[in-house]
Amino acid sequence: KQEVTQIPAALSVPEGENLVLNCSFTDSAIYNLQWFRQDPGKGLTSLLLIQSSQREQTSGRLNASLDKSSGRSTLYIAASQPGDSATYLCENRGSTLGRLYFGRGTQLTVWP
Amino acid sequence: GAVVSQHPSRVICKSGTSVKIECRSLDFQATTMFWYRQFPKKSLMLMATSNEGSKATYEQGVEKDKFLINHASLTLSTLTVTSAHPEDSSFYICSARDIGREGNEQFFGPGTRLTVL
Repeated sequence: KQEVTQIPAALSVPEGENLVLNCSFTDSAIYNLQWFRQDPGKGLTSLLLIQSSQREQTSGRLNASLDKSSGRSTLYIAASQPGDSATYLCENRGSTLGRLYFGRGTQLTVWP
Repeated sequence: GAVVSQHPSRVICKSGTSVKIECRSLDFQATTMFWYRQFPKKSLMLMATSNEGSKATYEQGVEKDKFLINHASLTLSTLTVTSAHPEDSSFYICSARDIGREGNEQFFGPGTRLTVL
């Protein structure tokens, strides 16, 4: 059974810092991996999707990497802003129809 | 605890028919459930937020009359794909928030694979 762990569980930083959120998983046979953002009371918003054949994806200030051999993915947030405050989740699945496995998330607070 | 089920897990239907997908929270109550859609090799996309006892809130670009959502009880939300067409073929996933827990954690169902011929 796939287990997904996210570290740290919570992070509070001043505005402007560069951040690294970590996600590890026990089964490297994944189909793809996604990073999501969740605002309080809201649904998930997909940030970045990395296919199993890819090593990283970038969108604006966000960069996500994937190392299947070590079972790790990192989400890098550059020049953090208060608007980045949210919970960040990583998710993977073993196949296109496979069950989704989520981490518990990292709750990020960026203060002015 | 915190188990969410979906029924059916897989459905194949003819174009023009309507398909109902159920999402149930088995061991907790959920005033809010979320419906997502995922295309092959694409990211998970939030379709709508289902609120018990009130109308669903749809994301921009999602047709309300096409994807009917009913959240009639604290443990059941249904998504009906009306007059389905092949382009509606996708993987539909629901999630639910446990009103008895603090925080924003969502619990996901296993998904429903819809194929429209």
